Formats: sequence, structure tokens, C-alpha cells
Amino acid sequence: DQQVKQNSPSLSVQEGRISILNCDYTNSMFDYFLWYKKYPAEGPTFLISISSIKDKNEDGRFTVFLNKSAKHLSLHIVPSQPGDSAVYFCAASGYGSNFGNEKLTFGTGTRLTIIP
Amino acid sequence: DTAVSQTPKYLVTQMGNDKSIKCEQNLGHDTMYWYKQDSKKFLKIMFSYNNKELIINETVPNRFSPKSPDKAHLNLHINSLELGDSAVYFCASSQEEQEGPAGTNTGELFFGEGSRLTVL
Repeated sequence: DQQVKQNSPSLSVQEGRISILNCDYTNSMFDYFLWYKKYPAEGPTFLISISSIKDKNEDGRFTVFLNKSAKHLSLHIVPSQPGDSAVYFCAASGYGSNFGNEKLTFGTGTRLTIIP
Repeated sequence: DTAVSQTPKYLVTQMGNDKSIKCEQNLGHDTMYWYKQDSKKFLKIMFSYNNKELIINETVPNRFSPKSPDKAHLNLHINSLELGDSAVYFCASSQEEQEGPAGTNTGELFFGEGSRLTVL
């Protein structure tokens, strides 16, 4: 059973517009969430994260929103650029603040295509 | 049924030992991968393997070797374990698109639950 779900396998967005990628989770023990970006033939690279004590974290063009009651998080990219075309993975971990030692649970990814 | 399963989930062993982590996928995918997660939650690809080709990340020591008895399995063997090998290792699988340019991949990657290796 998928504990972290990304229900949209793909998404196309016009350059300059906002891209919104969604992620849902089922395990209420998750308390730390991450987004990864993956280009073809490379491993996922860390993009942005959020702790469950927050509902928003922003880093440049990237903002992650967390809705704990709905067990939902989203990644907003604004404005979208051609270099943002990649596969985005949502991941989650839990059981405390020593995040460096906690295993991740991944979603299956959403392919984002930015149309020039 | 778990789509991608890894065993064992936890492994504690002494330095110098040889160990294996097994991975099996029941999705019918033709490409499998091993990733290493470091303490900062960065993922580094170690190997990707399909029916045609084994791609090795050059930074991976040759003490690490993938073994694929069939399309549904990709095991990771590690010889002469070192302290720095302690990490979480993820197996993953994906399906190469049948249509379109060769090598096109849909991008969906199914991860296993991870195997935490601790070397003492």
C-alpha cells in the first residue's frame, strides 16, 4: 500500500506560469517531508523540505505547503522555467527530529514539462 | 502486495564482512536501480540495470557489485564493508516506454522501503 501518493504522473505548464505538484500521505506518524527533482539518467536531488511544525516553507521560486489535517502537501514553482522540466518526487519520514537517520518513503513521481 | 521489496530492512555487521541486500519487483518493469541515501537525505544513484545494460556510477567503489539473476531481481553485494558504507540503500524500478525515442522513460520510479546498513 502506497503511503505516499502522487496521483498525477504528468503535468504540463506554460513557461512563466505557476506549477503546482501535489502529494498525499496516509501515515499520520510522518513529520518531515521533502521534494526531490530528477533529471533523466540522474539520481533525485534534494529540492526543499518542510517539518510538520510548519505549514509553509519557501526557497526562491519554490514553496512547499503542508496541510496536516488533509495529509496533503504541494510544491509550487513560480514562475516556471524550462529548466524545471523534470520528474518531482515527494518523500516523507517520521519518528523524531534526528532526520538524518530516518528512512524515507517515496511517492512515484510527477513528470513536469514546462512549455516555452 | 509490495511492488518493490528489499530484504533485509535492517542490517548490522562488522567492518570487513561481506553482505548482500536483495531487491525484488513484481511490476514487470525492465529497469532497476540502487540508490544510496546519505545522512543529509541526499540520494546518489549507484547502479541502473536493465536487460540490455548495466550502468555503473564511477564513484561507486568496486567493492559494490549488482547481481541480477532475472528481470525481477537486482541484488546488491558489498565486499569488505567499511564504516563509511553505513547508510540507507534504496532499490527502485521503472518501465522504459515502448514507444517513442529509444531510452525514453516515463519517469515514474517505484522505490522499495529501503535497507538500513550499519557497519560497526
